[in-house]
Amino acid sequence: AQSVTQPDIHITVSEGASLELRCNYSYGATPYLFWYVQSPGQGLQLLLKYFSGDTLVQGIKGFEAEFKRSQSSFNLRKPSVHWSDAAEYFCAVGVPYNTDKLIFGTGTRLQVFP
Amino acid sequence: GAVVSQHPSRVICKSGTSVKIECRSLDFQATTMFWYRQFPKQSLMLMATSNEGSKATYEQGVEKDKFLINHASLTLSTLTVTSAHPEDSSFYICSARGTPGKETQYFGPGTRLLVL
Repeated sequence: AQSVTQPDIHITVSEGASLELRCNYSYGATPYLFWYVQSPGQGLQLLLKYFSGDTLVQGIKGFEAEFKRSQSSFNLRKPSVHWSDAAEYFCAVGVPYNTDKLIFGTGTRLQVFP
Repeated sequence: GAVVSQHPSRVICKSGTSVKIECRSLDFQATTMFWYRQFPKQSLMLMATSNEGSKATYEQGVEKDKFLINHASLTLSTLTVTSAHPEDSSFYICSARGTPGKETQYFGPGTRLLVL
């Protein structure tokens, strides 16, 4: 069965600094991969997704993620963080052609200092 | 596009009463809708999957008689928490999947339920 690990529970960065949130997955083949962001008391917003093709995926709000098969990773990056990026970030995996069961990581809480 | 709404956003009820939460896909037809539960500072746990016009499929450990799910149309699914108790207090989030982007789930803003 597939699983997702987000090793960092909490990350703090200064505004304007670069950001990388880690996500590792376990699956026998290439899964569908997603990053979602959740602001306090809100639902989840899709940042980006990877199904196939170019391993560097561009998303909304200046985020990007890179799929690395050899490392079973799908890390989220942003070159310059804004205070409004403070939120909870979830990585999720799904079985190709059957995303009925998205498996979510435990999330990484991002705090941004001015 | 791909907007999902939930109503109400917040509800407080007395123990023993039932609460209905609506999930609507506003600009696309959702053949499948999902209901998740999220405890504070934790990840989302899938409760059930519902397909329009058929019975919901519940995850292991989720009481189907307590969490009634109806998916009567391609744009509406409802979750009814029957005889709610304080331990049912949680954040309930729905998601919907359909065109566009069939493999992507789009999430609603969530409903916070507090049972007194």
